[in-house]
Amino acid sequence: DAGVTQSPTHLIKTRGQQVTLRCSPKSGHDTVSWYQQALGQGPQFIFQYYEEEERQRGNFPDRFSGHQFPNYSSELNVNALLLGDSALYLCASSNDRAWRGYTFGSGTRLTVV
Amino acid sequence: GNSVTQMEGPVTLSEEAFLTINCTYTATGYPSLFWYVQYPGEGLQLLLKATKADDKGSNKGFEATYRKETTSFHLEKGSVQVSDSAVYFCALSDRNSGNTPLVFGKGTRLSVIA
Repeated sequence: DAGVTQSPTHLIKTRGQQVTLRCSPKSGHDTVSWYQQALGQGPQFIFQYYEEEERQRGNFPDRFSGHQFPNYSSELNVNALLLGDSALYLCASSNDRAWRGYTFGSGTRLTVV
Repeated sequence: GNSVTQMEGPVTLSEEAFLTINCTYTATGYPSLFWYVQYPGEGLQLLLKATKADDKGSNKGFEATYRKETTSFHLEKGSVQVSDSAVYFCALSDRNSGNTPLVFGKGTRLSVIA
């Protein structure tokens, strides 16, 4: 049973550029959440997608946007990249019983130079 | 709002030593509590969880008990191994709100030396 798959694994971008990160959820999961983990910090919630709509959002600017497709996979887009956007971006999938726990992917390491 | 506070790291132990990582939480509802582990260069793995007061989560020799009266969920292991070296995150999710996002502590880095 495949878990959560994220791509790419690593990415280097220049300030001002745009980036798209991708996530395929675990089989049977319909909800995808994105987290940003800065170096030495705990993950911070960006937003969550369910039924192709953004259901909840954390304290992140509009430069961060996303999308969920009918097959439940998801994309995270970041526009006008800043140096401070350098982080590990984690995707987590769940179903309507999320209190049982989320399943995380291995993350995409984004470096902005 | 909801928050999680973990003990500051790093924690360095010798192999076979006893481990405790303290975690306390603040929640407006009745949360589920989790410990996640992150090995170097990897994402997060669920280590254990507890969904109601006095529940004990356990896995791979690690244990944590949901203490509602002290709002705590301390992680313990009786005898650590070098392979336990990782960063440990305490987290909560408001069970009553369905897919409420996880709120994480800052993490505690554990290094176990042979």
